[in-house]
Amino acid sequence: DVKVTQSSRYLVKRTGEKVFLECVQDMDHENMFWYRQDPGLGLRLIYFSYDVKMKEKGDIPEGYSVSREKKERFSLILESASTNQTSMYLCASDDTGAGSSTDTQYFGPGTRLTVL
Amino acid sequence: AQSVTQPDIHITVSEGASLELRCNYSYGATPYLFWYVQSPGQGLQLLLKYFSGDTLVQGIKGFEAEFKRSQSSFNLRKPSVHWSDAAEYFCAVGHNAGNMLTFGGGTRLMVKP
Repeated sequence: DVKVTQSSRYLVKRTGEKVFLECVQDMDHENMFWYRQDPGLGLRLIYFSYDVKMKEKGDIPEGYSVSREKKERFSLILESASTNQTSMYLCASDDTGAGSSTDTQYFGPGTRLTVL
Repeated sequence: AQSVTQPDIHITVSEGASLELRCNYSYGATPYLFWYVQSPGQGLQLLLKYFSGDTLVQGIKGFEAEFKRSQSSFNLRKPSVHWSDAAEYFCAVGHNAGNMLTFGGGTRLMVKP
């Protein structure tokens, strides 16, 4: 089975702190994604990566950056956390090469981040 | 731009009753459509997907969905709901360019005993 793990299930940070959310997948997937999930809004794509050191902006990249130094690991960075970034963050990876809309995305359990 | 609408935020059904969750999409080309389920405290799990061919798609856990191009819909159905089906359900459309998905706002299903 594909496994996508996220470093923390719950995280509490203060406004202005730098926050790192880590995601690891164990199936050698090329593509990885970061979403935020808010009630009534579903999931919104923040960034995705189709290869090591490659990234593309999603629908809501403002206030976030990402890093992909190794194929299995994709990090989401909040340079200066703000209260409006309080949310559930979900990482995903998918199972074929880049460029296909038919891929199945596999999701981690999520990190619930609270920014005070 | 593509969009997905799930008109029902909450639905409550009795155990054993049939279920239909609605999904409408807006997309210029042939859509790639997905249904995911999120159980409490879990990540999203794929229930089924449609790319082409037969418009009635079978998925896991006894779910099925029907693609209706004329109505821009991809409704999810199950003939008899089990208490373990209580979860949040998300419909999504895939883009031709890259692997991005656009999700609907979700429908939370509650099952009465």
